[in-house]
Amino acid sequence: DTAVSQTPKYLVTQMGNDKSIKCEQNLGHDTMYWYKQDSKKFLKIMFSYNNKELIINETVPNRFSPKSPDKAHLNLHINSLELGDSAVYFCASSQVFTGHGELFFGEGSRLTVL
Amino acid sequence: RKEVEQDPGPFNVPEGATVAFNCTYSNSASQSFFWYRQDCRKEPKLLMSVYSSGNEDGRFTAQLNRASQYISLLIRDSKLSDSATYLCVANTGGGADGLTFGKGTHLIIQP
Repeated sequence: DTAVSQTPKYLVTQMGNDKSIKCEQNLGHDTMYWYKQDSKKFLKIMFSYNNKELIINETVPNRFSPKSPDKAHLNLHINSLELGDSAVYFCASSQVFTGHGELFFGEGSRLTVL
Repeated sequence: RKEVEQDPGPFNVPEGATVAFNCTYSNSASQSFFWYRQDCRKEPKLLMSVYSSGNEDGRFTAQLNRASQYISLLIRDSKLSDSATYLCVANTGGGADGLTFGKGTHLIIQP
């Protein structure tokens, strides 16, 4: 059983399009996150959701919007895609929000904007 | 100044050797530290937490030096399967928003 699963794994799209990436965790964790890993391999947090509430919102463009229908899901919607959005997006979850618990990552969604 | 810095490598090490690399963090208030491992085109996975007293897990030893603000990872008797990128993580804030990842150190174990 996959603990954190995200779809699609690969996404190739044109500039200006709108796309979504879905994420689900079956670990019963309270907190879920979206991370972006760019071409320089720098992993940076974008959002986190704790008990369906947005806890942090890093300085990402408002073209990115997280949606959490329930505690087990955190989807990422991106409007008006730009070339600079090309990256690998990782969903993750953790039992606690204190920063002391282990993060469980999904396999990543590789987004290429042409 | 970057909050968590690592030598990106690559470190090319013969199989069976011992390899060590460090990570420095800028926020002296950081309280918890971790090493994650990321294989090529895969997701990061927790390798080990780093405790003040240092900790060991099999061939892996992690140590924290608060005075100099660095964390180290030592791998003994390296295996081919240890080839990966090792990400240093520091909690520079009170919550998960304070988790800051380094860019990683790329390790290649050669037969």
